[in-house]
Amino acid sequence: DTAVSQTPKYLVTQMGNDKSIKCEQNLGHDTMYWYKQDSKKFLKIMFSYNNKELIINETVPNRFSPKSPDKAHLNLHINSLELGDSAVYFCASSLGRSGSYEQYFGPGTRLTVT
Amino acid sequence: GENVEQHPSTLSVQEGDSAVIKCTYSDSASNYFPWYKQELGKGPQLIIDIRSNVGEKKDQRIAVTLNKTAKHFSLHITETQPEDSAVYFCAARSYNNNDMRFGAGTRLTVKP
Repeated sequence: DTAVSQTPKYLVTQMGNDKSIKCEQNLGHDTMYWYKQDSKKFLKIMFSYNNKELIINETVPNRFSPKSPDKAHLNLHINSLELGDSAVYFCASSLGRSGSYEQYFGPGTRLTVT
Repeated sequence: GENVEQHPSTLSVQEGDSAVIKCTYSDSASNYFPWYKQELGKGPQLIIDIRSNVGEKKDQRIAVTLNKTAKHFSLHITETQPEDSAVYFCAARSYNNNDMRFGAGTRLTVKP
């Protein structure tokens, strides 16, 4: 059984479009995250939600809007896509928001903006 | 905020040799230090972690050491195998902070 799943795995779209990436975890975790991994493999946190409440919002353009309909789901919507948005986006979850909880990562969504 | 530096960026070893990856962190409040392994086309997976009340932890061929005074921690892989080839990330996180900071990654290649 997949612990953290993301859809789609690949997403190719044109500049200016709006797209969404979905994430679901079946671990019963309270906290979920979105990370961006650039072409140099650098992993940077974008957002974190705890029990559907936003707790981390890094310096991310407001074209990116996370939505958590329930604590098992954290979706990422991106408006007006730009070339620089091309990256691999990882969803993750942890049992709680405390710093010592392990984070479990999804398989990633490779977004290519042309 | 926390800043994590990781070295080397690439590491090539012969099968059977040991590999060591080093990280330093800046925030003295950091108390949780996980190591992740990322294989091609997959998400990072936790391989070992250490908390600040422990100086060393070992799990079969993998060990992690932590020097809180110097603010650095290291990953040691012994008897490397070709399937150990991957990108390895260190990370650091404070007990009162939900924000985990990653190092830039080390691409390990184990040659058969």
